[in-house]
Amino acid sequence: SQQGEEDPQALSIQEGENATMNCSYKTSINNLQWYRQNSGRGLVHLILIRSNEREKHSGRLRVTLDTSKKSSSLLITASRAADTASYFCASNTGGFKTIFGAGTRLFVKA
Amino acid sequence: ETGVTQTPRHLVMGMTNKKSLKCEQHLGHNAMYWYKQSAKKPLELMFVYNFKEQTENNSVPSRFSPECPNSSHLFLHLHTLQPEDSALYLCASGEGSYNEQFFGPGTRLTVL
Repeated sequence: SQQGEEDPQALSIQEGENATMNCSYKTSINNLQWYRQNSGRGLVHLILIRSNEREKHSGRLRVTLDTSKKSSSLLITASRAADTASYFCASNTGGFKTIFGAGTRLFVKA
Repeated sequence: ETGVTQTPRHLVMGMTNKKSLKCEQHLGHNAMYWYKQSAKKPLELMFVYNFKEQTENNSVPSRFSPECPNSSHLFLHLHTLQPEDSALYLCASGEGSYNEQFFGPGTRLTVL
């Protein structure tokens, strides 16, 4: 089973709407990271939240972490067509091992 | 542009060929990573190097052979691959453990 699993697998919204993606993980983490990937390209780091943090903001991004439920969510506010991409959560369980989920494909319609 | 480059960007090879993927980072990081991304599967960690020393080998078949001559360069040597090895191979670098990683654009590998 995967350490990180995103939900939903795919999401289609209108420009201007908010997009929420969820991630669950199974074992204790040091931190949880969110990345974005445009089709067939490398991943771009968005935000890192440590295990002792509950919420973090970066521009239009808001990430929450609930270690008791082993879950995290990524909120993108006022979405734009350029936000269309796949979004991955990645849990760092210690050392150099970071485990990625299968991702949520977000499509923002102009 | 993330400061991590990968060559080639696309590679088609037969099962009997030998080829190498190259990754270079210009960020001064000490850790470098190889990942495999197959269709509809999560990103799979293959190898990690820290200060040129291998710290992770995620049970990767021996037909994949990594090499890290220094903290800025990472290679993945390929030989006698199988069609199921076709995937996007991503290189990343990072400053120490626990921190975010910076990814290259990837090499799209097709094994015929």
